[in-house]
Amino acid sequence: EAQVTQNPRYLITVTGKKLTVTCSQNMNHEYMSWYRQDPGLGLRQIYYSMNVEVTDKGDVPEGYKVSRKEKRNFPLILESPSPNQTSLYFCASSLIQGSGYTFGSGTRLTVV
Amino acid sequence: GIQVEQSPPDLILQEGANSTLRCNFSDSVNNLQWFHQNPWGQLINLFYIPSGTKQNGRLSATTVATERYSLLYISSSQTTDSGVYFCAASPSGGSYIPTFGRGTSLIVHP
Repeated sequence: EAQVTQNPRYLITVTGKKLTVTCSQNMNHEYMSWYRQDPGLGLRQIYYSMNVEVTDKGDVPEGYKVSRKEKRNFPLILESPSPNQTSLYFCASSLIQGSGYTFGSGTRLTVV
Repeated sequence: GIQVEQSPPDLILQEGANSTLRCNFSDSVNNLQWFHQNPWGQLINLFYIPSGTKQNGRLSATTVATERYSLLYISSSQTTDSGVYFCAASPSGGSYIPTFGRGTSLIVHP
């Protein structure tokens, strides 16, 4: 089944403890991106990648890192999480620029 | 950057009613998508429709690129249609980064 898989679905962590949210797609998509969704602010893009080893900042990149060493994987790294990064995170992929997105199921992160 | 506005922000319907959701965008686009976020938070791609009209069951969408708007039609609404509907637009001639609207929250009562 074609899908984008994010893990974990839920995560509660403490301020400053490094964490990684994984994202993997099995559709051979070139384009992948990360979004955060907050009440009243909608979906905002954090980082995106147009292919292996090609990443770029979205609208809200501060406090996040990404890597794209393989086409299928695009992990989101929070080196030193803070409470303002408490949010619902989505990974998305698409075949090429200009085609439809497929979203992962989301990761609800709470930083205390 | 491109501005994306959706209306109405909230909509309450009785099961069986029809509705039209609107998405206005401030610049010419090469990509326009509609998504449904169900009450469990999942985001499902409904349409990729930079121009023209598409239909999928009870849902259809029309984008009039020259007028800078897109419409999502829901006919014979069902309770499972409840959730938030987002449109996302990517500007022509620039980066692919799509900008999302704030969404239309739909509640369908039985």
